Amino acid sequence: DQQVKQNSPSLSVQEGRISILNCDYTNSMFDYFLWYKKYPAEGPTFLISISSIKDKNEDGRFTVFLNKSAKHLSLHIVPSQPGDSAVYFCAVPNFGNEKLTFGTGTRLTIIP
Amino acid sequence: DAGVTQSPTHLIKTRGQQVTLRCSPISGHKSVSWYQQVLGQGPQFIFQYYEKEERGRGNFPDRFSARQFPNYSSELNVNALLLGDSALYLCASSLAGGTGGETQYFGPGTRLLVL
Repeated sequence: DQQVKQNSPSLSVQEGRISILNCDYTNSMFDYFLWYKKYPAEGPTFLISISSIKDKNEDGRFTVFLNKSAKHLSLHIVPSQPGDSAVYFCAVPNFGNEKLTFGTGTRLTIIP
Repeated sequence: DAGVTQSPTHLIKTRGQQVTLRCSPISGHKSVSWYQQVLGQGPQFIFQYYEKEERGRGNFPDRFSARQFPNYSSELNVNALLLGDSALYLCASSLAGGTGGETQYFGPGTRLLVL
């Protein structure tokens, strides 16, 4: 039973345009959501998070939107840059033991 | 400051063997978690240790075990290796266990291939 789903395994975007990565979750009790970015041969790196009490969080070129009624979150990257090419994971922590449940990831490729 | 370090970086084993993977957390971090990432999937939680005590265990068989040392470094052991254990094993550290929003910092992983 996947608690966190990323239905797009890959996405290609022109440099300078907006990249939108999507994530759906099943448990309405989740109260925190995170996005991690992973380059080959490296571990995942924390990118941005959002609390369930908010519907938007922005950090530079990265914005995460949360739609609680739809149990959906999205990561917007604008403008997209070649260095953004990586695999992006959404994740939710299980409060109490720091277990992170990850989605399957979306491979983002920025085309110069 | 050094990040999370893991050793070895790559490992090849045969079925039935045993393997030990090592992780050193960021200085000052007391919590270490282990994840398994198979190709095409997201990382799957295996264990979390905090102050040398097991805090959480994922849905993995008893062939998987771990421990945390007084200096907060950790080892993951896998016995009786199966082909399906081939994966990237990630270690993550954080300051303290139990806070859902606390950032976890991942090491580069150990890539295990079981033949």
